[in-house]
Amino acid sequence: GNSVTQMEGPVTLSEEAFLTINCTYTATGYPSLFWYVQYPGEGLQLLLKATKADDKGSNKGFEATYRKETTSFHLEKGSVQVSDSAVYFCALSDRTNFGNEKLTFGTGTRLTIIP
Amino acid sequence: NAGVMQNPRHLVRRRGQEARLRCSPMKGHSHVYWYRQLPEEGLKFMVYLQKENIIDESGMPKERFSAEFPKEGPSILRIQQVVRGDSAAYFCASSRSGLAEYNEQFFGPGTRLTVL
Repeated sequence: GNSVTQMEGPVTLSEEAFLTINCTYTATGYPSLFWYVQYPGEGLQLLLKATKADDKGSNKGFEATYRKETTSFHLEKGSVQVSDSAVYFCALSDRTNFGNEKLTFGTGTRLTIIP
Repeated sequence: NAGVMQNPRHLVRRRGQEARLRCSPMKGHSHVYWYRQLPEEGLKFMVYLQKENIIDESGMPKERFSAEFPKEGPSILRIQQVVRGDSAAYFCASSRSGLAEYNEQFFGPGTRLTVL
């Protein structure tokens, strides 16, 4: 079955540091790939996505590139801010026989940025 | 525009009791998904519903768990005779439809169930 493996946390960085959170996946077919972010006390929010190989998703300074050859979708940001402190989830979706998109998530990486 | 609402946010039950988790989708959304996050694990898909219909329940445990999404009112995830292993965060998501351009899932804040 499908699975997502992401970098274990917690990750603590200083403000303005470079961020990488690794994510690799196993899937049949050609899934879409996502990064979700969860701020304290809130639900998961879609951060960015990519729907096919070599696509780059980007939002709020975050980027991730769909690498089919390495089955990876690593999240990067050049200069993190305190407000980026949250839990980040990598996920893939696959269309089921019922027609719905089923999301499979990684375990989440807690990121803390210190001033 | 209110997002996906879930209540209660925290629920404590003793073994053998019933747990009812509620999810109100975003306005205009008729598709609901339930996910469970066990400690130290990622979110796992449980069930996908449209109004009055269960479409995909491939992730639901075969016993004690049920879900509904009535014509009026919120979606309910019901767990009968809870056991300690049911302790988890339960997340609900909704989407406008299943069509590719409208199927982005918007998540609620989750209900954290603790079974004593």
